[in-house]
Amino acid sequence: KAGVTQTPRYLIKTRGQQVTLSCSPISGHRSVSWYQQTPGQGLQFLFEYFSETQRNKGNFPGRFSGRQFSNSRSEMNVSTLELGDSALYLCASSLEDRGGGYTFGSGTRLTVV
Amino acid sequence: QQPVQSPQAVILREGEDAVINCSSSKALYSVHWYRQKHGEAPVFLMILLKGGEQKGHEKISASFNEKKQQSSLYLTASQLSYSGTYFCGTEGFGNEKLTFGTGTRLTIIP
Repeated sequence: KAGVTQTPRYLIKTRGQQVTLSCSPISGHRSVSWYQQTPGQGLQFLFEYFSETQRNKGNFPGRFSGRQFSNSRSEMNVSTLELGDSALYLCASSLEDRGGGYTFGSGTRLTVV
Repeated sequence: QQPVQSPQAVILREGEDAVINCSSSKALYSVHWYRQKHGEAPVFLMILLKGGEQKGHEKISASFNEKKQQSSLYLTASQLSYSGTYFCGTEGFGNEKLTFGTGTRLTIIP
């Protein structure tokens, strides 16, 4: 079966621009989480969605936002990009509400110049 | 709070054993273990649930001490393919997100 698909794989943006990243979870998975990964900070939690509802949000500024659609696909948006937003953004989906393993996508590598 | 992993890095020869530890300061519902190879996404290895249930990889074992909020991942007879960074993730009770530790870099040399 198809895994978690993230698009695009790579992005280069300029400071001040905004960006939208997309994630298609495994078919049947209703839980989608987003993480930011950087060498210094590791995996930092951004958001978690379940059945179109945001259940949790990490300690990121309001420039980071997300949503989930009725088909479980999810998007995250970062407005007014800063150099420090350069990172690998990972999406993960899970079949179960909790207590289930996450399947990660290959990520979107965002570079802000 | 972010779980604490130890050691931060370890180098082993092929065939040797390794133990990676993960501890949390909060009561845990579950502990997850993932392995990430350079340039790739993290891959799910195992989940340990409060109450003793385990789900995951057949060739990897782990323990979960619910009273101490600690988990250990055991890698026996290590193979070159075991190299990578291992992350533990913890879920608390209630509506809590999965929070990852800072990772343990494992290098297996021939």
